[in-house]
Amino acid sequence: NAGVTQTPKFQVLKTGQSMTLQCAQDMNHNSMYWYRQDPGMGLRLIYYSASEGTTDKGEVPNGYNVSRLNKREFSLRLESAAPSQTSVYFCASSEGTGESQPQHFGDGTRLSIL
Amino acid sequence: AQSVTQLGSHVSVSEGALVLLRCNYSSSVPPYLFWYVQYPNQGLQLLLKYTSAATLVKGINGFEAEFKKSETSFHLTKPSAHMSDAAEYFCAVSDWSNAGNMLTFGGGTRLMVKP
Repeated sequence: NAGVTQTPKFQVLKTGQSMTLQCAQDMNHNSMYWYRQDPGMGLRLIYYSASEGTTDKGEVPNGYNVSRLNKREFSLRLESAAPSQTSVYFCASSEGTGESQPQHFGDGTRLSIL
Repeated sequence: AQSVTQLGSHVSVSEGALVLLRCNYSSSVPPYLFWYVQYPNQGLQLLLKYTSAATLVKGINGFEAEFKKSETSFHLTKPSAHMSDAAEYFCAVSDWSNAGNMLTFGGGTRLMVKP
């Protein structure tokens, strides 16, 4: 059982390039999330999708777009990458939208913008 | 808005010693609280969660945490540290909105275990 799978695991981009980070979960979860992790700041929510067909902004959405392609897949797009977007990106999913539902995380995508 | 503060970005203990990782939260409503662990180059794994059923919560790998409403704290402890406990630990509070469940994370505490 793979859980949450993120691709790619590593990527280097030049400033101004675009890229899509892929995420898929096989747990039949309704809700999916994208976070970025920066040293000393924990994880910060970029966008989330409470259910298929809906997406909402999180704490740090600027410079990103998302697509909930179907129940399994939730992608994150950087249209014009900037050095400030160098970070580790994590996708997560949860069974439902209840506040006691734990989130399950992928192994992350390490992204460097030169 | 909810917030989480983890005191000490780095904590070092000797193998066999008590582990204490501190977490304080702010919330206007009764919170749901979580501890996650992150090993190098991996994602976050759930250690335990508090959902108001009991103030002392037991998790995996011998960890437990106690919810203290009067202190707005949810500190993580383990009686005896193992080398394999070296990792980064994150405390998080659930922030419910009409659209879904969002987690607000603390800045993390890196636990180092000395032989």
